[in-house]
Amino acid sequence: GQNIDQPTEMTATEGAIVQINCTYQTSGFNGLFWYQQHAGEAPTFLSYNVLDGLEEKGRFSSFLSRSKGYSYLLLKELQMKDSASYLCAVMDSNYQLIWGAGTKLIIKP
Amino acid sequence: GAVVSQHPSWVICKSGTSVKIECRSLDFQATTMFWYRQFPKQSLMLMATSNEGSKATYEQGVEKDKFLINHASLTLSTLTVTSAHPEDSSFYICSARVSRGMNEQFFGPGTRLTVL
Repeated sequence: GQNIDQPTEMTATEGAIVQINCTYQTSGFNGLFWYQQHAGEAPTFLSYNVLDGLEEKGRFSSFLSRSKGYSYLLLKELQMKDSASYLCAVMDSNYQLIWGAGTKLIIKP
Repeated sequence: GAVVSQHPSWVICKSGTSVKIECRSLDFQATTMFWYRQFPKQSLMLMATSNEGSKATYEQGVEKDKFLINHASLTLSTLTVTSAHPEDSSFYICSARVSRGMNEQFFGPGTRLTVL
């Protein structure tokens, strides 16, 4: 079956760095997405990786290793507004998104 | 950028009534729209995939007679929750994709449904 695993919850300190891991097993692979979702709101797109390596976008970076079925989202210089759930999703061979359960990130002052 | 709207943003209804939720792509044509449901503290659950001009494909366990989906045009898809019950209370989110080969989905803001 298809499976996306990510930690349920993480806590970090304002100004610090946090890495959220995601491992996956899917039928085919057409890219991995990271989304941010604040409570009561729809997800917003953060990053897309389809090739191995690191994609950097401001304070956020995303890494992919297809051979290991592994990705991480790296958040630097954490701000209180970064408190949210972070969803990892993989697009399978049918171009359907398979979603992880999300990682709730709590930022403390 | 690609913008997807949903209407209404929130709705409260009595048990047994039907509720229609609209999903519109405002600045692009969406060949495919997706309907998700999300319960508190849970991830998105895909309910159905809707292609313009054809019948929606429902995920296992989703009742197609209860959740009616119509994708009448390249910019509009509707989800009707028929004979709503309190257990249907949830956050319903649509997303739109330009074409099969385009990987990114653009999400609407979601609709909060509360059934009394």
